[in-house]
Amino acid sequence: DQQVKQNSPSLSVQEGRISILNCDYTNSMFDYFLWYKKYPAEGPTFLISISSIKDKNEDGRFTVFLNKSAKHLSLHIVPSQPGDSAVYFCAAINFGNEKLTFGTGTRLTIIP
Amino acid sequence: NAGVTQTPKFQVLKTGQSMTLQCAQDMNHEYMSWYRQDPGMGLRLIHYSVGAGITDQGEVPNGYNVSRSTTEDFPLRLLSAAPSQTSVYFCASNPRQGGNEQFFGPGTRLTVL
Repeated sequence: DQQVKQNSPSLSVQEGRISILNCDYTNSMFDYFLWYKKYPAEGPTFLISISSIKDKNEDGRFTVFLNKSAKHLSLHIVPSQPGDSAVYFCAAINFGNEKLTFGTGTRLTIIP
Repeated sequence: NAGVTQTPKFQVLKTGQSMTLQCAQDMNHEYMSWYRQDPGMGLRLIHYSVGAGITDQGEVPNGYNVSRSTTEDFPLRLLSAAPSQTSVYFCASNPRQGGNEQFFGPGTRLTVL
């Protein structure tokens, strides 16, 4: 049972344009959502997060939006840069059981 | 700080062999965990620990053992390796239970023949 889903395995975006990565979840008990970025042969690194009581969090070029009624969150990157090319994982945590659940990832390619 | 370190970086095993993947962190984090990453599956939690002497199972624990005798170290043992355990393994830590961002190690790529 995949509780966190990223339905787009890959996404290509022109440099300078906006990249939008999507994530859906099924468990309404999730308290916190996170995005991780992963380069080849490296571990994932934390990018940005949002509490379930908020609907938006912004950090520089990165903004995460949360729509609880739709059980959907998205990561916006603007403007997109070549260094943003990586695999992005959406993750969610239920503070009650302390486990982080990851989506399957979206490979973002920024085209110069 | 070195952060989260993992050894070895690469390992090839034959079916039935056993081995231990090492993980250490120098950030005094209470919470440590092991994930495996497989194509199309994302990262799946194998085992986790909320402190020294305390471990619990994650989503895919079968075939793996863990122990947490110190805050710093969280080794993952493969008891009898199987080809289905071919994967990339990541260790992670974070400073509190139910913590937000986790710090990941660089990974161990394991192939079981």
